[in-house]
Amino acid sequence: AQTVTQSQPEMSVQEAETVTLSCTYDTSESDYYLFWYKQPPSRQMILVIRQEAYKQQNATENRFSVNFQKAAKSFSLKISDSQLGDAAMYFCAHRDTGTASKLTFGTGTRLQVTL
Amino acid sequence: GAVVSQHPSWVICKSGTSVKIECRSLDFQATTMFWYRQFPKQSLMLMATSNEGSKATYEQGVEKDKFLINHASLTLSTLTVTSAHPEDSSFYICSASWTGGVTDTQYFGPGTRLTVL
Repeated sequence: AQTVTQSQPEMSVQEAETVTLSCTYDTSESDYYLFWYKQPPSRQMILVIRQEAYKQQNATENRFSVNFQKAAKSFSLKISDSQLGDAAMYFCAHRDTGTASKLTFGTGTRLQVTL
Repeated sequence: GAVVSQHPSWVICKSGTSVKIECRSLDFQATTMFWYRQFPKQSLMLMATSNEGSKATYEQGVEKDKFLINHASLTLSTLTVTSAHPEDSSFYICSASWTGGVTDTQYFGPGTRLTVL
């Protein structure tokens, strides 16, 4: 069974600074997807970024980028130029290929953004 | 695009009554819908996976007779909590995905807060 581990329950970053959230996972599959979701106080899950395992290039979405290390089964999220609106719970998730495949979530990292 | 709605957003009911939560994909046809439960300050726990027109697949430990899931069309899935009790109080979130594009991504509804008195 797949497992996703987020070892940082809470992180804090100053506005405009950069922060990296860690995530490791375990799977026996060679092809899969990885995601970072953001859950603000409204509790709406928002997709931040996704990565296909067969792609070596790290995904980037504006201020958000990932460091995907397939051999190490590591998938960290870097947030650059942090903004107050980035404050939220961040969940790392893994999914096998296939529409009906389940998402396996990590336990989440709460990110605080300070002035 | 890829908007998922849930109704109601918040419901309070008496112990012993049943509550139905709707999940709709507004601008796409959802091949598969998922139902999650989230306790305060915890991660999402998958309850069941449903495909249109077929029976839902429940995760281990989830009572299928208590949490009835119906995926009647490609845009609507419902979760009915039968004979609700206070321990069923939680935040319920649905998500939907479809086969298309490069990756199959789950898009989440805004969630439903259930309080059972």
